[in-house]
Parts: sequence; C-alpha cells; structure tokens
Amino acid sequence: AQTVTQSQPEMSVQEAETVTLSCTYDTSESDYYLFWYKQPPSRQMILVIRQEAYKQQNATENRFSVNFQKAAKSFSLKISDSQLGDAAMYFCAYRRGATGNQFYFGTGTSLTVIP
Amino acid sequence: AAGVIQSPRHLIKEKRETATLKCYPIPRHDTVYWYQQGPGQDPQFLISFYEKMQSDKGSIPDRFSAQQFSDYHSELNMSSLELGDSALYFCASSIWDEKLFFGSGTQLSVL
Repeated sequence: AQTVTQSQPEMSVQEAETVTLSCTYDTSESDYYLFWYKQPPSRQMILVIRQEAYKQQNATENRFSVNFQKAAKSFSLKISDSQLGDAAMYFCAYRRGATGNQFYFGTGTSLTVIP
Repeated sequence: AAGVIQSPRHLIKEKRETATLKCYPIPRHDTVYWYQQGPGQDPQFLISFYEKMQSDKGSIPDRFSAQQFSDYHSELNMSSLELGDSALYFCASSIWDEKLFFGSGTQLSVL
C-alpha cells in the first residue's frame, strides 16, 4: 500500500525567508506522480507543484521548488522569499501512474509566516 | 478559466436524513474524485469515476453511493446520516493521469 508521511505537523518561517517542508512516501511502483497542495484558511485545495517520478529534474514554480530524491522516496517543498499569503496547510500527495487513480495525501504541515 | 463547481456550498441535515452533493468537473476532464475531510484531518478518498464508470473505491461507507452522469457531472448520495459524517466534501476532476483540480467543497453539518 502507498503511504505518504509528513513528519512536521507545524512549521514557521519569517517573512522573506526560506522554509522547507518534508515529505516521504512508500511505494513499490516505478511510475507515479507527486504533488504539493496548499489549503489556506478558506479550505480550498490549491495545487502548488507537481513532479513526475520519471523526471530527474526537480520541478519549480516561481518561489516554490521541490527536492525529489527518488531512491530515498523523499519529496520536500522549498518555499523561497516567504510571503504572508503562503500561510496555509500544505499537503503532500502521491498518485500511481498509468493505471492509477487515487491520490494519497499526507497528514499535512501547517505553515505560519511571521511578519 | 472554468473550475470544478460544487453545490451546495453548505448543507445542514439532521441525523438519519439523506443528502445529495453535486459536482460539475472542468470541461473535458474525464475523471471525477470525491474526498471527505474532517476537521483537522487530511482528505480521505471516497470514490472516483473515469468516463462515467467507477474506477477506484476508498473508504466510502455503504450508506453512501455515487455516480457520474452522461454530462460528466457527479453526485454523491448520502443516506442515514450520522453525526460523524459532518465534514467538508471535496470533488475534484482531472484528465486521466494529470493533476487534480479541486472544487471549493461542500460543508456538511449533521445535527
């Protein structure tokens, strides 16, 4: 079974600083996708970034980037130049590849941004 | 750009009543997912549909059923509601093998 683990229930970062959120996953599959979703107080689920397992290059979206370590089954999210609007719950998610459907979510990391 | 539409946004029911939640996926998306998120919890997968056929099933209670219609909208039917069913219910859609786009959710309160 696939599992996603986020070992940091809460994190805080000073505005304009950089923070890294950790995520590890367990799978026996070789073809899969990894995601980070952001859930602000409004409770909407917003896609932050996506990584295909077959790609060695780490995904980047503006101030958000990932450190994907396939052998270690690690998928951390780095937020640079943190902004107040980045404050939210962040969920790491895993999805199997070609025949897969279900997204598996971690338990989330609550990020506080300190002005 | 069009997003996933869920209705209603809020729903209040009493125990043992029934509820129907609706989801309209992004046009041309062929897969619909339902997730349940309790207070302070991560989203729990309930069920998904690909091209109107059930494609995956998670922790959906037998009291719940869902279907996807010919226009690709989906409905989650919940019967014999219990207090523990109070949660935020997300619908999400995707094109096969692509990222998930979530609706704003339906907040269900069972009194």
